Amino acid sequence: QKEVEQDPGPLSVPEGAIVSLNCTYSNSAFQYFMWYRQYSRKGPELLMYTYSSGNKEDGRFTAQVDKSSKYISLFIRDSQPSDSATYLCAMSTAGNQFYFGTGTSLTVIP
Amino acid sequence: SQTIHQWPATLVQPVGSPLSLECTVEGTSNPNLYWYRQAAGRGLQLLFYSVGIGQISSEVPQNLSASRPQDRQFILSSKKLLLSDSGFYLCAFERDNDYEQYFGPGTRLTVT
Repeated sequence: QKEVEQDPGPLSVPEGAIVSLNCTYSNSAFQYFMWYRQYSRKGPELLMYTYSSGNKEDGRFTAQVDKSSKYISLFIRDSQPSDSATYLCAMSTAGNQFYFGTGTSLTVIP
Repeated sequence: SQTIHQWPATLVQPVGSPLSLECTVEGTSNPNLYWYRQAAGRGLQLLFYSVGIGQISSEVPQNLSASRPQDRQFILSSKKLLLSDSGFYLCAFERDNDYEQYFGPGTRLTVT
């Protein structure tokens, strides 16, 4: 079983839709949770960072962590064509190890 | 603010040739540094990480090596490239164990 599972998509939505991206994980020791956005042929860009359980909101983006279910989500409200990218989830324990999902490809159609 | 640089951006090398990719970080001291390889549909594979000058941990036995000659410089090398070394190489830093990783722009390596 992989440490982190992420549906690769692709996901295609109309402009203005609410997008839900999800990852599940198996290691209950994960405490730090991140979402990255990666445009084609570019390095990943850190979007959201959350410690332990709960919600965090930043503009149109909301990250949720449910440690009891080992499930994290990223919601994008009022999606824009510029949100079209691959979204990677990542998580870490307190060590120097980061575990990444394989990424979900998102296309927002104008 | 912190920035991370990688070069070259793209590289085409023949099988058996050497490799040197460089990564430098600005605006922070004593960062943790990481080298990843990203293959299509397979996510990020951690290759090496370093918590300080001269301290390198290898995650995957392979044809590659890493060095950290200065606090904010991380180098990925190979003596003889294999076809399987092709991929997108990403350097990342973490500010003094704050558990947030920031990535560089990447180097796309094609071994022919």
